[in-house]
Amino acid sequence: DAGITQSPRYKITETGRQVTLMCHQTWSHSYMFWYRQDLGHGLRLIYYSAAADITDKGEVPDGYVVSRSKTENFPLTLESATRSQTSVYFCASSLGTSWETQYFGPGTRLLVL
Amino acid sequence: AQTVTQSQPEMSVQEAETVTLSCTYDTSENNYYLFWYKQPPSRQMILVIRQEAYKQQNATENRFSVNFQKAAKSFSLKISDSQLGDTAMYFCAFMKPGGNQFYFGTGTSLTVIP
Repeated sequence: DAGITQSPRYKITETGRQVTLMCHQTWSHSYMFWYRQDLGHGLRLIYYSAAADITDKGEVPDGYVVSRSKTENFPLTLESATRSQTSVYFCASSLGTSWETQYFGPGTRLLVL
Repeated sequence: AQTVTQSQPEMSVQEAETVTLSCTYDTSENNYYLFWYKQPPSRQMILVIRQEAYKQQNATENRFSVNFQKAAKSFSLKISDSQLGDTAMYFCAFMKPGGNQFYFGTGTSLTVIP
């Protein structure tokens, strides 16, 4: 049981290119989340999803697109990458709402040149 | 908007000693949840401990305990008998029921010295 995985773990891309970061969880958790981690900002929520086909914006959604056609997958797409999107991206999932604890994936380091 | 403040960017502690990491938060909510996460050099985020705001009793998990002061909006983490494996970044986090209100502090880098 792999839990929650992210791919790729490392990615280098160029400004203007489209990039998709994958997140997969094997727990059948309802909620899934995407965060970015930058120095001086901690983790900031980009998007979250309460269930398949239900997504909503977080704190910093601009420049990102998500989809959730299957419960176990929650890909994050940068439609036209910018240098400011260089960051470490974490996917997380939780079983239910409110008090449920979020479990994090290992992270994806993205460098936009 | 909710904010979470960790005023100690870096801390160090001798192995086997006790250390306390501070966290304050700002919210107008009465019901919420607080967490401490650990991020070792591997960068995986690991849940250390969590506290429900409606519970007055402080949460404990083995060597980790919290001092939750709701009126003061303070949520400090105490690590007893520090071990080398405790070396990591520690993040305090606030969560409002609903899942879309999850805020992290900027982190405290803890180094355990042998």
